[in-house]
Amino acid sequence: GIQVEQSPPDLILQEGANSTLRCNFSDSVNNLQWFHQNPWGQLINLFYIPSGTKQNGRLSATTVATERYSLLYISSSQTTDSGVYFCAVGRDFGNEKLTFGTGTRL
Amino acid sequence: DTAVSQTPKYLVTQMGNDKSIKCEQNLGHDTMYWYKQDSKKFLKIMFSYNNKELIINETVPNRFSPKSPDKAHLNLHINSLELGDSAVYFCASSQVTWTGELFFGEGSRLTVL
Repeated sequence: GIQVEQSPPDLILQEGANSTLRCNFSDSVNNLQWFHQNPWGQLINLFYIPSGTKQNGRLSATTVATERYSLLYISSSQTTDSGVYFCAVGRDFGNEKLTFGTGTRL
Repeated sequence: DTAVSQTPKYLVTQMGNDKSIKCEQNLGHDTMYWYKQDSKKFLKIMFSYNNKELIINETVPNRFSPKSPDKAHLNLHINSLELGDSAVYFCASSQVTWTGELFFGEGSRLTVL
């Protein structure tokens, strides 16, 4: 199956700082999503981004599928950004499941 | 209205007991899933149902039995609970299996004593 690596595993930021989270994957994919798990445990879908760039407020994401990585940018971080960020990837054929990375704890 | 809702949110029970978790989605999605999140936050797929039919059954003990009475509901029944079953169980749904956006419920934290 596809291997998914996220870096860094842990990140500590001062409020107002910017950060970049990275997701590397081992094979071509056509499904990639970023999730935020807040300190209360809720998993929120941030982006569905198999390729290209998207922005939503202070968050943006870029996926370069040909180079097998995706980046999540957080600008002007706030305390509400705390939690764990997961990347999940998949290929849309057969029953190949969506594979989650181990997350970045912010 | 919550898009994907699970009940109960917390279960505390003794080893050997049986428990159920219910899940409902009002997004009109065809596919529903159960995920298990362990103490290290690793998310692992357990089951996937498409329009009431089981399509994925990962290596899960047969003490775990999912049931989908209709495409908006997916329940999880666990028999003879063991200490290692303690985890957070998430229900999720998507429009098409493994394709498109995945939406999660709030999770059900199971503690087995």
